[in-house]
Amino acid sequence: DTGVSQDPRHKITKRGQNVTFRCDPISEHNRLYWYRQTLGQGPEFLTYFQNEAQLEKSRLLSDRFSAERPKGSFSTLEIQRTEQGDSAMYLCASSLRTGGFEQYFGPGTRLTVT
Amino acid sequence: GQQVMQIPQYQHVQEGEDFTTYCNSSTTLSNIQWYKQRPGGHPVFLIQLVKSGEVKKQKRLTFQFGEAKKNSSLHITATQTTDVGTYFCAGLSSGGYQKVTFGIGTKLQVIP
Repeated sequence: DTGVSQDPRHKITKRGQNVTFRCDPISEHNRLYWYRQTLGQGPEFLTYFQNEAQLEKSRLLSDRFSAERPKGSFSTLEIQRTEQGDSAMYLCASSLRTGGFEQYFGPGTRLTVT
Repeated sequence: GQQVMQIPQYQHVQEGEDFTTYCNSSTTLSNIQWYKQRPGGHPVFLIQLVKSGEVKKQKRLTFQFGEAKKNSSLHITATQTTDVGTYFCAGLSSGGYQKVTFGIGTKLQVIP
């Protein structure tokens, strides 16, 4: 399977705990995006990378959120001191830098904070 | 910052009826992309429009990009139950880091 993969698919954690999600993009894609999606809403942009460089981070994102893409391949998204409001689907997508930047999404990681 | 509005938010149609969703950007776009998300699934890329006034068809789906490259529409002819899902438009900004901004989506329910 050469699509975007995400791990884990589901995560239940207690408020205050830290969580980390991983995304493996399509291998030749140099852009990688993180989104958050809650029920009935569109994907909300969090951040994106071009190769290993983080080009933009949403102003809505608190300092508790951090993302890395150290070698320009897979990426991790960490949420520190989770809150109940962090419960959502976290989607990763990748695209080529050239062309129309159409994005290919992974299956997402569903986070539930209790 | 760039905003992408989409209407309606929900639409129920009888199977066989037509359906249209509209997308409007606050800024001129490099391109507009459309995605479909089935219930419980993730967004799947459908198509991309680049040129002013462009019209593209995929079977029963017709996509249009406005002359000013700020609005777009998706029209489905004779809906089927397989069309159920949420349709998102996403606009690629021109200039800068060329970021894609998603609309809120239109959730389509098709009544058999």
